Amino acid sequence: SQTIHQWPATLVQPVGSPLSLECTVEGTSNPNLYWYRQAAGRGLQLLFYSVGIGQISSEVPQNLSASRPQDRQFILSSKKLLLSDSGFYLCAWRGLAVRAEQYFGPGTRLTVT
Amino acid sequence: QKEVEQDPGPLSVPEGAIVSLNCTYSNSAFQYFMWYRQYSRKGPELLMYTYSSGNKEDGRFTAQVDKSSKYISLFIRDSQPSDSATYLCAMSSVAGGTSYGKLTFGQGTILTVHP
Repeated sequence: SQTIHQWPATLVQPVGSPLSLECTVEGTSNPNLYWYRQAAGRGLQLLFYSVGIGQISSEVPQNLSASRPQDRQFILSSKKLLLSDSGFYLCAWRGLAVRAEQYFGPGTRLTVT
Repeated sequence: QKEVEQDPGPLSVPEGAIVSLNCTYSNSAFQYFMWYRQYSRKGPELLMYTYSSGNKEDGRFTAQVDKSSKYISLFIRDSQPSDSATYLCAMSSVAGGTSYGKLTFGQGTILTVHP
């Protein structure tokens, strides 16, 4: 069965510090991978998606970047965090079968102080 | 106008009640419909997946899609306190292969089932 991991689970970082969040998927090959941010009481905002190694697409311009160094690894980064980067960050994957659903990881709660 | 509209609630019901959660959408190209359940401080988990119009039942949960009205519903029978969570609807117009596979989400409905 497939499993998706995210770490760290929680993070408190000062403004201007760098960020690196990691997501890995087990039990599947060549998944589509997604990074979302969820602000308190709001829906999910898609940040980045990747259909393969080194292939990253950005949905919205912002202070963040993403990389996919391996097939089942997806990293979200920032060189300098802003207060507005606080939120709940979710990684998700989708397989290549003819289905549309995505499966989410446990999330990382980021607080920028 | 948002592509997907979902009543944010909050919705509070007594244990054993029938709950109805709804989303409306404007994009007629949507044909894949999902419901996710999200407990506090957790990632969303897939609850129901349906393709095109019709009903799908899984235990106490029934998902209903009416494409002619651009309206989807999730019914929870015999609701339990453990059903207390945020429920997100999601939909897509494409699936499979190397397509982007974008999901469009509703804002989520907060449900509390009290004993």
